[in-house]
Amino acid sequence: SYDLTQTPSVSVSPGQTASITCSGDKLREKYVYWYQQKPGQSPVLIIYQDNKRPSGIPERFSGSSSGNTATLTISGTQAMDEADYFCQAWDSSAVVFGGGTKLTVL
Amino acid sequence: QITLKESGPTLVKPTQTLTLTCTFSGFSLSTSGVGVGWIRQPPGKALEWLALIYWDDVDLYSPSLKSRVTITKDTSKNQVVLTMTNMDPIDTGTYYCAHSNPRAFDIWGQGTMVAVSS
Repeated sequence: SYDLTQTPSVSVSPGQTASITCSGDKLREKYVYWYQQKPGQSPVLIIYQDNKRPSGIPERFSGSSSGNTATLTISGTQAMDEADYFCQAWDSSAVVFGGGTKLTVL
Repeated sequence: QITLKESGPTLVKPTQTLTLTCTFSGFSLSTSGVGVGWIRQPPGKALEWLALIYWDDVDLYSPSLKSRVTITKDTSKNQVVLTMTNMDPIDTGTYYCAHSNPRAFDIWGQGTMVAVSS
């Protein structure tokens, strides 16, 4: 089965840049999607097709992909960005989620 | 405005079959490119995709759960139904349905918590 690997936790100071990575075999050949999930809430799509932001998602969220790693970057991180972040890709006809990264803003 | 809402039992016994219904509004499952998927999340753990059905009746399943899961749609009722057989305590978690357009899950339901216990 196809696996997407994420660092379990990332810490960042308010106003700084947070980078959350997602790695997978031949990931550069696939589109990557990113979801934000705050405690007790449903996930929210924040990046699709590697680097596109849905309407309403702040510009401080950006995505990129190179080689076998996709990166979600949060510029000028705010306290409200503290959440779990999950990457997602397709492997043939199956959806795969990463294990998630808990972002702590402190 | 697209909304989805999951419904079903909050408690099932081991070996029983779980049936969950996703009732949605704001879109039609007969529109080209549209799909509805099911994703679950054990407490404190990662998201796990279960199944997805598209406007053209194409249905996709997680390889690891394919033998236990069935997804169907009723376009006239704006509903998608997930059934999962032979439930086990490890299947405990929150079950979400989500709108797919068609490769990302852009709108999610609030989720429904299902516990598996005797």
